[in-house]
Amino acid sequence: RKEVEQDPGPFNVPEGATVAFNCTYSNSASQSFFWYRQDCRKEPKLLMSVYSSGNEDGRFTAQLNRASQYISLLIRDSKLSDSATYLCAVTSSWGKLQFGAGTQVVVTP
Amino acid sequence: GAGVSQSPSNKVTEKGKDVELRCDPISGHTALYWYRQSLGQGLEFLIYFQGNSAPDKSGLPSDRFSAERTGGSVSTLTIQRTQQEDSAVYLCASSGAGASMGGQYFGPGTRLLVL
Repeated sequence: RKEVEQDPGPFNVPEGATVAFNCTYSNSASQSFFWYRQDCRKEPKLLMSVYSSGNEDGRFTAQLNRASQYISLLIRDSKLSDSATYLCAVTSSWGKLQFGAGTQVVVTP
Repeated sequence: GAGVSQSPSNKVTEKGKDVELRCDPISGHTALYWYRQSLGQGLEFLIYFQGNSAPDKSGLPSDRFSAERTGGSVSTLTIQRTQQEDSAVYLCASSGAGASMGGQYFGPGTRLLVL
């Protein structure tokens, strides 16, 4: 089993709609969690950290469920520019980040 | 401020040649990471530096791969006797005091093509 797993998608989302997807992790000792966004042929860019109490940044909401060992990302009022691959990242030992393979989101007009 | 920079942006080489990839992290970042990403694939961890030492080299695919970091700043990843399967985007990232402290910031990558 992979340490960090994501549904590869694609999630096809009409513009203005809400989309949400999860990322599961296997190491119960994981401490830090992040969402990254990666555009085609570009490097991953840090989107947001995920805090235990959940956190919001504009149209993006991240949540952590330690009991079930998953994090989630919700995008409200989707824009065409939100089309990208979203990578989750989870710390394992020494703070090493384990990345998921990514969830592709395609926002359509 | 300046982000992570990498050079060259693109590198085309012939099978069997050696290549050197360079990473210049964000100023003040003590942790530096190398990853590679093949087309359509996820990130593959290669090596992690804390300062000049490499506590985790577990991701290096073979002994043809090596990396060093000097002065707690610039790092070079060297691939000896390149093979076609080495073709990928090599990404460098840096962070404050370990990845748990606010995440990692990536450079634009070096696209390596081995013919």
